Amino acid sequence: SQQGEEDPQALSIQEGENATMNCSYKTSINNLQWYRQNSGRGLVHLILIRSNEREKHSGRLRVTLDTSKKSSSLLITASRAADTASYFCATVRAYTGANSKLTFGKGITLSVRP
Amino acid sequence: KAGVTQTPRYLIKTRGQQVTLSCSPISGHRSVSWYQQTPGQGLQFLFEYFSETQRNKGNFPGRFSGRQFSNSRSEMNVSTLELGDSALYLCASSLVWTGDGYTFGSGTRLTVV
Repeated sequence: SQQGEEDPQALSIQEGENATMNCSYKTSINNLQWYRQNSGRGLVHLILIRSNEREKHSGRLRVTLDTSKKSSSLLITASRAADTASYFCATVRAYTGANSKLTFGKGITLSVRP
Repeated sequence: KAGVTQTPRYLIKTRGQQVTLSCSPISGHRSVSWYQQTPGQGLQFLFEYFSETQRNKGNFPGRFSGRQFSNSRSEMNVSTLELGDSALYLCASSLVWTGDGYTFGSGTRLTVV
C-alpha cells in the first residue's frame, strides 16, 4: 500500500514561478526522500530529510518536514522547463530494524511552461 | 563514476515465459533493491539484498525472485509471466541498507504479450 500521498496530483506553472508540492504519510518515519522521474526513466534522488530535521535546502530545492502532521513539502524556486517531470516522495519507516525499503507515493506531474 | 546499470533496457516476452533482469550497482555499493512501477499500482518494493543476503521482501507472489552475487550485482527473475507483470522494473543501489538516499538505474521496461 502507498505510504505517501502527494498533493496536487498535477501542477502546471510558468517558467520562473515557484512550485510547491506536498506529501502526507501515515506511519512514523526514519526519513523522507524526494525523487524526480523524467518520462518513465529512472528515479533521481533530490533530497533526504531525517525525522529530527525540519527544513533542508539544496540549490533551488527547499524541503520541510512536519512530523506532528505527518507531512512534507517540496518547494522548487525559479522553475525551469527542465524541471518538467514527475516528483515522488518516499518514506523509510522508523523502528523497523532491517526494513529500509522505500514506500512511495503516487507522484506529482509537474509541467513548467516556457 | 559509473551509475547503476540495468540490462536489458527493453524486453518483450510472451505469457508463461520467464525473464531475468540484471542490475550492476555503483562500485562499492553493497545494497541493491528492486521496485516495480506500473500506472495502476505505482512504485512498489520487490526485495532488497545486502552482501548476498535478502534482507527484505515485498508483497509479491513467489514467481518473483532475486539474488545477489559476491560482486554485488543482482538479478531478478519472474517466472510464468502474466500480462500484469508488464511494468518498468527499477533497481537501486546504496552503500548500506540503512534507507538513506538511493541511486536508481534507468530501469528495464518489460512488456508481456
